[in-house]
Amino acid sequence: GAGVSQSPSNKVTEKGKDVELRCDPISGHTALYWYRQSLGQGLEFLIYFQGNSAPDKSGLPSDRFSAERTGGSVSTLTIQRTQQEDSAVYLCASSYETGRETQYFGPGTRLLVL
Amino acid sequence: AQTVTQSQPEMSVQEAETVTLSCTYDTSESDYYLFWYKQPPSRQMILVIRQEAYKQQNATENRFSVNFQKAAKSFSLKISDSQLGDAAMYFCAYRRTSGTYKYIFGTGTRLKVLA
Repeated sequence: GAGVSQSPSNKVTEKGKDVELRCDPISGHTALYWYRQSLGQGLEFLIYFQGNSAPDKSGLPSDRFSAERTGGSVSTLTIQRTQQEDSAVYLCASSYETGRETQYFGPGTRLLVL
Repeated sequence: AQTVTQSQPEMSVQEAETVTLSCTYDTSESDYYLFWYKQPPSRQMILVIRQEAYKQQNATENRFSVNFQKAAKSFSLKISDSQLGDAAMYFCAYRRTSGTYKYIFGTGTRLKVLA
């Protein structure tokens, strides 16, 4: 595709349920990032995948959050036992792996935990 | 640890006028990238401009230009001839050029453009 895509665009769930958010990066991009943006706030780094290297998980807020990237392409961010404070927009971005490339963002998934 | 600070939560500018958004950062690295991203209400983050720290010349993209002061660790964005479509959240971001490619974002500045 032409850009980074994310699904669903909106997700409403009940407290305690698990959710999965999906990101399809730009074809050929080997680096993939997940961010969380709470209402009126900046972007909070969550996790970063770079090629076949071990991901940088330093931004995951708790062990309820996890992410995987299958086949070096599609990534899924999973939030287990969701809490109301997990409500936010989750943004995905991708870039080439060279380290001198700019990241490009998807439209985000807005998550609302009731 | 690197930090990025945007001290202006909100700014307003009259259409066709010029506005400058401020950004300061802290790092011990000598080579890095700085970015300005725009986020309109659609929430799609759009790259506005990028600056490489080893380049002394300020980056320019049409009506957008930066004032990069490396010694002062300052990276401001100037928008000339402001247009209604420029209204958005603007985020300043930092990234190292080696090691982890994690981006550090500021908290953003909301720009309002007045007709």
